[in-house]
Amino acid sequence: DGGITQSPKYLFRKEGQNVTLSCEQNLNHDAMYWYRQDPGQGLRLIYYSQIVNDFQKGDIAEGYSVSREKKESFPLTVTSAQKNPTAFYLCASSLRWGGSSINQPQHFGDGTRLSIL
Amino acid sequence: AQKITQTQPGMFVQEKEAVTLDCTYDTSDQSYGLFWYKQPSSGEMIFLIYQGSYDEQNATEGRYSLNFQKARKSANLVISASQLGDSAMYFCAMRDSGGISNYQLIWGAGTKLIIKP
Repeated sequence: DGGITQSPKYLFRKEGQNVTLSCEQNLNHDAMYWYRQDPGQGLRLIYYSQIVNDFQKGDIAEGYSVSREKKESFPLTVTSAQKNPTAFYLCASSLRWGGSSINQPQHFGDGTRLSIL
Repeated sequence: AQKITQTQPGMFVQEKEAVTLDCTYDTSDQSYGLFWYKQPSSGEMIFLIYQGSYDEQNATEGRYSLNFQKARKSANLVISASQLGDSAMYFCAMRDSGGISNYQLIWGAGTKLIIKP
């Protein structure tokens, strides 16, 4: 079955450490997204990618980095510059970007819970 | 600016009753799409239903329907015959035709629905 796989499910970060969250999709979608969700809150966009080898900052990109070298993969690195990284991270994808995408839902992975040791 | 407002932070409903979750939106575009998602306590985001701005009929998907009132900029989710498994966070989201949002989904803050047996 097609879908989005996020790993690991739980991740712990030490002070000063960078950690990378994996996101892989086999839906053949062009667009991919990373969101952060704090307890009891809505989703905030960290980064998004319209197509392979391209990505843009979202609303809260500081302290995070991404790459999009393959269509299927959109890893998120939480750097030591992100001082409050404890949150639930969701990866999503949609078929394409732009004017023809208005009716397209985003499909989500199961998320990664990141905590500080 | 584009905005989604969900005015009910939390709701308690008796099992088997119908539920209406409120969502109002703000956009100056004529072409836009509205989405509802369900997030159980396990964390995954599940797409429920979509309504396009030019759709003349209210969208329905099984027990879910969308009460779309365009003039009032309202897109309320109706769940008929609620079940215990409907207990979750529910998010309303909108995508319009570009501009400052650049085709991103704009998310509401969510409503926590608890179904009582």
